[in-house]
Amino acid sequence: QVQLVESGGGVVQPGGSLRLSCEASGFSFSNYGMHWVRQAPGKGLEWVAFIRSDGTDNWYAGSVKGRFTISRDDYRNTLYLQMSGLRPEDTAIYYCAKRRGASSLSRFMDVWGSGTTVTVSS
Amino acid sequence: EIVMTQSPATLSVSPGERATLSCRASQSVNSNLAWYQEKPGQAPRLLMYAASTRATDFPARFSGSGSGREFTLTISSLQSEDFAVYYCQQYNDWPLTFGGGTKVEIK
Repeated sequence: QVQLVESGGGVVQPGGSLRLSCEASGFSFSNYGMHWVRQAPGKGLEWVAFIRSDGTDNWYAGSVKGRFTISRDDYRNTLYLQMSGLRPEDTAIYYCAKRRGASSLSRFMDVWGSGTTVTVSS
Repeated sequence: EIVMTQSPATLSVSPGERATLSCRASQSVNSNLAWYQEKPGQAPRLLMYAASTRATDFPARFSGSGSGREFTLTISSLQSEDFAVYYCQQYNDWPLTFGGGTKVEIK
């Protein structure tokens, strides 16, 4: 079945860096755009970043633009989120999620991973 | 950025009753609106898309309506497994944005 498994979370000091991974299985990974979404403790969902299926186009939330980089390795069926200049407000569960389809009418997320926790604290 | 506002923040409903959740966009998102259900300790699940199309796993007691700026999610007869937090999300334009969520709790 379709599955997304995140890893790479942990505790990091402010200003530090971390790379999250999301391994996909059960579908043709290279054919789908992918998202990262986060949820701070006790808060709602916040969309973070998106990468197109061919990797040629990326979008970022204003709160992470210039600090986070989304990428993908279709040979490894893996999505990444490189995070640098981390701040306490980046503390959250980070979910990867699959885009439903290729058209602009299908930008939403139809499959989610179980998340990986990032804590930014000194 | 399109701001999504959900109301109420918390909805107290008895099992078997009807629940009506609202979502408003700061500008038109056409019908490019999704709803997600989130239960404690679990990842969100896609519930509805294109404002009124139910995702595969959800029963017909869930329905969505609206277009433009105003949207509604209705649960016709709440079951125990429906008590959760519900988020709306617009995908009409970048950046994608979520509403703050509505918690549906047992009355």
